[in-house]
Amino acid sequence: NAGVTQTPKFQVLKTGQSMTLQCAQDMNHNSMYWYRQDPGMGLRLIYYSASEGTTDKGEVPNGYNVSRLNKREFSLRLESAAPSQTSVYFCVTQSGGREATDTQYFGPGTRLTVL
Amino acid sequence: QKEVEQNSGPLSVPEGAIASLNCTYSDRGSQSFFWYRQYSGKSPELIMSIYSNGDKEDGRFTAQLNKASQYVSLLIRDSQPSDSATYLCAVNPPGTYKYIFGTGTRLKVLA
Repeated sequence: NAGVTQTPKFQVLKTGQSMTLQCAQDMNHNSMYWYRQDPGMGLRLIYYSASEGTTDKGEVPNGYNVSRLNKREFSLRLESAAPSQTSVYFCVTQSGGREATDTQYFGPGTRLTVL
Repeated sequence: QKEVEQNSGPLSVPEGAIASLNCTYSDRGSQSFFWYRQYSGKSPELIMSIYSNGDKEDGRFTAQLNKASQYVSLLIRDSQPSDSATYLCAVNPPGTYKYIFGTGTRLKVLA
């Protein structure tokens, strides 16, 4: 049981390059999320998917796109990377959706540097 | 006012003491509250969840919730150097799929 996996673990991009961060979960969870974490800013929600086939913007969606390929996979794409997107990115899953007892489970993170 | 606020610290306590971490939130209708621990360079891991007013104990950890005052706290008894980490408070506003995180409190337990 791998839980939540993310690839790659580390990435360095040049400004303007594109890349896709991959996330997969084997927990059979409906909801999946992408957060970024920056010093002093905490965790900020980029996009989320409440269920397969649906995606919604979070707090900081500009410069990103997402795809919920199936129940297991949720990818985050940077079309034209900017230095402001240097951050640690976490993929997160949640068992249900809006139940009071739902909790979130974090992947190991992707550390992205944009030069 | 931020939706979830925490003192950034660092909070330094001696080994064996009680560490008290606090969090306030702005959405009065919130019903689900969580504490995560994050070691440097690692991802957050859930350590406590609480949904009802009062105390919830799990080993050395006690979460306290006061919805009227809109705060949630985490007590760590018999603090150990291995407890040194950043502790994140998270709140699930009602009727949403989103979790709102505080910026975290850095705890240092001194041997």
